[in-house]
Amino acid sequence: DAKTTQPPSMDCAEGRAANLPCNHSTISGNEYVYWYRQIHSQGPQYIIHGLKNNETNEMASLIITEDRKSSTLILPHATLRDTAVYYCTRLSSGSARQLTFGSGTQLTVLP
Amino acid sequence: SAVISQKPSRDICQRGTSLTIQCQVDSQVTMMFWYRQQPGQSLTLIATANQGSEATYESGFVIDKFPISRPNLTFSTLTVSNMSPEDSSIYLCSVMKGSGSLGTGELFFGEGSRLTVL
Repeated sequence: DAKTTQPPSMDCAEGRAANLPCNHSTISGNEYVYWYRQIHSQGPQYIIHGLKNNETNEMASLIITEDRKSSTLILPHATLRDTAVYYCTRLSSGSARQLTFGSGTQLTVLP
Repeated sequence: SAVISQKPSRDICQRGTSLTIQCQVDSQVTMMFWYRQQPGQSLTLIATANQGSEATYESGFVIDKFPISRPNLTFSTLTVSNMSPEDSSIYLCSVMKGSGSLGTGELFFGEGSRLTVL
């Protein structure tokens, strides 16, 4: 039972918005949704996280549905350097604060 | 943020040997984790490194195979024991910073240690 489900790959044109979906239908009320990305041969990089409200930072926006069963990461103006594997994860609460990674989406930004 | 240094960055090891990976953080952190990333795969949590007590291992990982030390709040080691080719992976150290009752901190990762077992 995957904790998060993401499409294995997506393409996006440079300069366009990249919308990466994630399904987390079994998320519990106190679990946060986190997004990370991993550029080849590097450690994962934090992007954004949220609970139930939409969030925005300098890197991206996170839209979480009202029922919290899915979310979308939006890169507003994708660049070639945004080509990476994007992971949607859930943060367990309490003493076991762990991130469980799914299989991720390989985003390829095309020139 | 947190700056995490891992050593070695890569190594080639012989079957049956053991290798210890070091993780040094530039500031004190409460929560430190070890992940494994097999070729072409996602990250899998090995264990939580607890300061002053035994590490907490995830299902499928045992202390005899992956002994972990956490002598203080800025340092941890992971040993991969009696290695086989199936242990060829990237091993990543990560730390959680931030606070809040629900632990809504950010997880920072080192660059990883790429092990190849022949």
